[in-house]
Amino acid sequence: ETGVTQSPTHLIKTRGQQVTLRCSSQSGHNTVSWYQQALGQGPQFIFQYYREEENGRGNFPPRFSGLQFPNYSSELNVNALELDDSALYLCASSYGTPNTGELFFGEGSRLTVL
Amino acid sequence: DAKTTQPPSMDCAEGRAANLPCNHSTISGNEYVYWYRQIHSQGPQYIIHGLKNNETNEMASLIITEDRKSSTLILPHATLRDTAVYYCIVRYSGGYQKVTFGTGTKLQVIP
Repeated sequence: ETGVTQSPTHLIKTRGQQVTLRCSSQSGHNTVSWYQQALGQGPQFIFQYYREEENGRGNFPPRFSGLQFPNYSSELNVNALELDDSALYLCASSYGTPNTGELFFGEGSRLTVL
Repeated sequence: DAKTTQPPSMDCAEGRAANLPCNHSTISGNEYVYWYRQIHSQGPQYIIHGLKNNETNEMASLIITEDRKSSTLILPHATLRDTAVYYCIVRYSGGYQKVTFGTGTKLQVIP
């Protein structure tokens, strides 16, 4: 039990739709990052938020966007869904300045795009 | 981030030590070695991390070579619940939190 909760756990969308995934960080954690994990692959870094500002981004297009709220919860938004966006989306939080301390992962949101 | 290389799969008998190797030959001086594991369809779980010295906690031991180009995660007495994919990653000690996972090692613990 990491204290990081994600919702929804599963969802199905169709191509072109938009999706919002939510993450509630462990209490006191001020840094959150999001990962995409395709079947059989390791998680791929999407972006990170620290104190409500995006301060790092992986190789993902702008249609992947996010928000971090004052209570350190966060959202991942994906617009214009494509079939290849089908994956497990993981949220991870940590405490302190970015890149210090271990990451605590949630159980993920499994997105299927039809 | 430095890349890591791990064997795709390993087997280990229940009760025996599981030794999972990782190569990170391009690691830089301020990068830490972290190990995570992921049990089927769950989020990755932190195991241990280190910079230069060997580390031990209640889950595992981490042995880092003197040149820091490779490391070994040791599960001293593997159980069936240790069956998982194990990821070795390296992370900067400063800057933003980009973490690069490889495909990991699938450890199968056999009864």
